Amino acid sequence: QQQVKQSPQSLIVQKGGISIINCAYENTAFDYFPWYQQFPGKGPALLIAIRPDVSEKKEGRFTISFNKSAKQFSLHIMDSQPGDSATYFCAAKLPNDYKLSFGAGTTVTVRA
Amino acid sequence: GAGVSQSPSNKVTEKGKDVELRCDPISGHTALYWYRQRLGQGLEFLIYFQGNSAPDKSGLPSDRFSAERTGESVSTLTIQRTQQEDSAVYLCASSWAALNTEAFFGQGTRLTVV
Repeated sequence: QQQVKQSPQSLIVQKGGISIINCAYENTAFDYFPWYQQFPGKGPALLIAIRPDVSEKKEGRFTISFNKSAKQFSLHIMDSQPGDSATYFCAAKLPNDYKLSFGAGTTVTVRA
Repeated sequence: GAGVSQSPSNKVTEKGKDVELRCDPISGHTALYWYRQRLGQGLEFLIYFQGNSAPDKSGLPSDRFSAERTGESVSTLTIQRTQQEDSAVYLCASSWAALNTEAFFGQGTRLTVV
């Protein structure tokens, strides 16, 4: 039973374009929503994270939008660059828990 | 090195054989996690160690899977009598403490059971 559903499975974007990845969750008790970036042959690395008390968080070209009522959150990559080509995973965690529930991942390809 | 180190990077084994995967966490990190990443899927939690506390083994898929950790250092994940469905990337992560801290992942061990 997947607690976090992620879409699309893959996307291709032109250099300079915007990449958008969406995630939906069921458990309203989740209180921490990180995004991980994974390059081929490497482990996932924390990219950006948000808590449900804010609707948006921006770090450089990466923005998380959070919609608590819809139980959805998304990652926007602005001005996408070829170096952003990677697999992105959303995740969620319960309070006072250590386990992350991951989405299935989105492979982003940025074409020059 | 400064990061989480896993070995081997790749392992091909015959169905029915036992395999042992190793993880060296970042020095000083008390929490250690094992996750499994099947092709095209997200990471599945397997097991968690925190200091000298009893490990959380709730994610282990069968009794063929086991893991050990020596104090707050090296961990080994053992899969006995491997099956083709065990083929996956096994990822180890560590963090300073279990709650509300970033976990750092190793590069993983790609296990192929033929």
